[in-house]
Amino acid sequence: QVQLVQSGAEVKKPGASVKVSCKASGYTFTSYYMHWVRQAPGQGLEWVGTINPSGVSTIYARYAQKLQGRVTMTRDTSTSTVYMELGSLRSEDTAVYYCARDATHYGSGVSWFDPWGQGTLVTVSS
Amino acid sequence: EIVLTQSPGTLSLSPGERATLSCRASQSVSSSYLAWYQQKPGQAPRLLIYGASIRATGIPDRFSGSGSGTDITLTISRLEPEDFAVYYCQQYGSSPTFGQGTKVEIK
Repeated sequence: QVQLVQSGAEVKKPGASVKVSCKASGYTFTSYYMHWVRQAPGQGLEWVGTINPSGVSTIYARYAQKLQGRVTMTRDTSTSTVYMELGSLRSEDTAVYYCARDATHYGSGVSWFDPWGQGTLVTVSS
Repeated sequence: EIVLTQSPGTLSLSPGERATLSCRASQSVSSSYLAWYQQKPGQAPRLLIYGASIRATGIPDRFSGSGSGTDITLTISRLEPEDFAVYYCQQYGSSPTFGQGTKVEIK
């Protein structure tokens, strides 16, 4: 079955960077876009960005405007893993970060999100 | 950015009762691009409904979605104990957004 397994919790200092991984299994990795969503403690869901893991063309990613310039998404097709790196961390970046697969096979990353990874808690604290 | 506003913030109901959750968009959204998720404490969100009214695989038929344009609704016909959770609506265009959530709690 489709599984998304994320890396473990991280604690970072303000100004540092964090890189979270999401390893996919149970399907053809390059056939589905992947999304990242975050959730601050006690808050709602916020889209972070979307990446096309396809190895056919240049890596393509789009990001939430408020995070542009600080977030980068990459992928490693040899290990079926996507990465989300967030730099210049600040306290308000403290959140659980989820990866979630786009639902459409060979789509353009504008479908519903299913399934989701288990989440990775990133804590930013001095 | 399309803003989604959910109401009410909290719904206090008893098992067996009917729950009606609303989601209003700041501009018209194609019903093809609307979804609902359920989230329980400490868990990742789970897809319930996509395309505004299509139940995801394995979702019981007590869950139903309706609406179009700027107003969509999630209805739970008879609440089961496992349905008490937070529910989020989402529009999944090129810049997806989520509503702030409705908590369905036991009265």
